[in-house]
Amino acid sequence: GDSVTQMEGPVTLSEEAFLTINCTYTATGYPSLFWYVQYPGEGLQLLLKATKADDKGSNKGFEATYRKETTSFHLEKGSVQVSDSAVYFCALSGSGGSYIPTFGRGTSLIVHP
Amino acid sequence: NAGVTQTPKFQVLKTGQSMTLQCAQDMNHEYMSWYRQDPGMGLRLIHYSVGAGITDQGEVPNGYNVSRSTTEDFPLRLLSAAPSQTSVYFCASSARHGIGQNIQYFGAGTRLSVL
Repeated sequence: GDSVTQMEGPVTLSEEAFLTINCTYTATGYPSLFWYVQYPGEGLQLLLKATKADDKGSNKGFEATYRKETTSFHLEKGSVQVSDSAVYFCALSGSGGSYIPTFGRGTSLIVHP
Repeated sequence: NAGVTQTPKFQVLKTGQSMTLQCAQDMNHEYMSWYRQDPGMGLRLIHYSVGAGITDQGEVPNGYNVSRSTTEDFPLRLLSAAPSQTSVYFCASSARHGIGQNIQYFGAGTRLSVL
């Protein structure tokens, strides 16, 4: 079946540091890939997405590129802020025609001033 | 635009009590689902629905019932609450077609404690 593996956290950074959160996936067919963010006490919300190979999703300074050859969708940001502290979930959907998304376990990011 | 609305936000139950967690969406989404989130476990799918009148089990369905009589509403029923059901519960919805296909929209969650 489909699966998503993302790096375990917490990831602890100082403000203005570079961020990478790794995500790899296993899926049949050609899924869409997503990053969701969960701020403390809230539900998940879409951060960015990519629907086909080599697509780059971007939002709020975050970027991720759909790499089919390495089955990866790593999340990056050049300069993190304290307000980026949250839990980040990598996910895929649409694999083999299924509407049920597959989520990674989430990576907690803590940014210190 | 309200999106996905969950009620209540917080609930404390005693073991053996029953209750219903409410979920409503105003985006005319076909697909709706319930997850529970526990520390270190990520999101686990409880039940889902691909349209009114159609429901199916997810990864952890035991102890929970659902129904989908309308497109908008997807309540989750705890039949006889147990301490193992202490968790944060999220409802989500998504469109099956169009530009927003497969993007999940989540509610703010219901934080449930079973004593």
